[in-house]
Order: sequence, then C-alpha cells, then structure tokens
Amino acid sequence: QQQVKQSPQSLIVQKGGISIINCAYENTAFDYFPWYQQFPGKGPALLIAIRPDVSEKKEGRFTISFNKSAKQFSLHIMDSQPGDSATYFCAASMAGNQFYFGTGTSLTVIP
Amino acid sequence: ETGVTQTPRHLVMGMTNKKSLKCEQHLGHNAMYWYKQSAKKPLELMFVYNFKEQTENNSVPSRFSPECPNSSHLFLHLHTLQPEDSALYLCASSQDPRNEKLFFGSGTQLSVL
Repeated sequence: QQQVKQSPQSLIVQKGGISIINCAYENTAFDYFPWYQQFPGKGPALLIAIRPDVSEKKEGRFTISFNKSAKQFSLHIMDSQPGDSATYFCAASMAGNQFYFGTGTSLTVIP
Repeated sequence: ETGVTQTPRHLVMGMTNKKSLKCEQHLGHNAMYWYKQSAKKPLELMFVYNFKEQTENNSVPSRFSPECPNSSHLFLHLHTLQPEDSALYLCASSQDPRNEKLFFGSGTQLSVL
C-alpha cells in the first residue's frame, strides 16, 4: 500500500502563475513532511519541510499548506518561473525513520 | 554540488555482468543510503548504513550487494541483474539515521540489457 499519494503526475503552468501539488497520507504517526525538488540529471534536494504542529510554512515563493484532519499537505509555488521546472516529490516520515515518498510531479513552467 | 558524488553517471550492463556503483560523501555524515528511482514510482529505500553498519535492508534481492568500508564511502555491487532492475540508483547521506535532511547524489542511470 502506498503510504503517500501525490497528484497531479504532471503540471504545466504559465510563468507568473501559481503551481499547486497535493499529497495525502494515511499514517497519522507521520511527523515530518518534506518536499524535494529534482532537476534533470540531478538527485533530489530538500526544498521545504513542515511538521504537523503548524498549518503553513513559507520560504520565499514556496509555501506548504498542511491539513492534519484531512491528512493532506500541498506545495504552492507562487509567481512560478521557468527555472522552477523540475520534478517535485513529497514525503513523510515518523520519528526520523524511513521516508515514504510520493510518485513525483513533473512541473513545466512555460514563458 | 550536494557533497555526495556518485560514479559512474551511466552504466549499461548485460544480465551476466558484474559491476559496482560507487558513492562518496564529503559532508562528514554518519549515515548513508541507497535508493532506487523508477519512473512513476516512489523512491524505494534499499539499504541503510549507520557508522558503516547495515541497519536496514528493505527486502532487496541478493543480486544487489552493498558494501560500506567507512562512513564516507558506499558501494553497490551488482550481479546477474534483470531488465526490470534498470533504474536510477541514488545514494544519499545524512548526519545520522534519525536526521531528517537527506543529501542526494546525482545518481547512476543503470540499463540492464
């Protein structure tokens, strides 16, 4: 059973628009929810992360929204730029143990 | 650069070959990992090493054999692989297994013919 479900699989956004990627999880014991960004030919890199004690975390143009009751969290990219074109993975873990990753979202920002 | 270097970047091998993937981290971390990345699938954790000791093996077939001679180096020895083993193999490190920030290398793109 997939622990973390991610959607959409791919996303095309106009430059300056808002990109939204969603993830849902089942295990309520998860206590850490990171997002990783992966460019072609590179490994994933930590972008931003949140813990369930807050509902939102913002770093620059990137925001995580967290809904504990719905067991969902999402990544919002404001003012999307062509340089944001990459694959984004959500993940979840509990007490620093194994990470469970989503299947990834390929984001393309067109000029 | 993330401080995690993987070689080779690309590898093509036949099913009867034996090859090895290498990973080196320059971050002073104590935990190292092998992940498998296949298209449209979640990253799959294969092995975890903490202070050179293997702490986790996620039911990986024996045709994959890890080796960790020290905290900075990690190898994945491959033999008699199957075409379905074709994937991107990622090495990662963290300060320790409970540290939540993973640093990934760029991966080895493996094709098994």
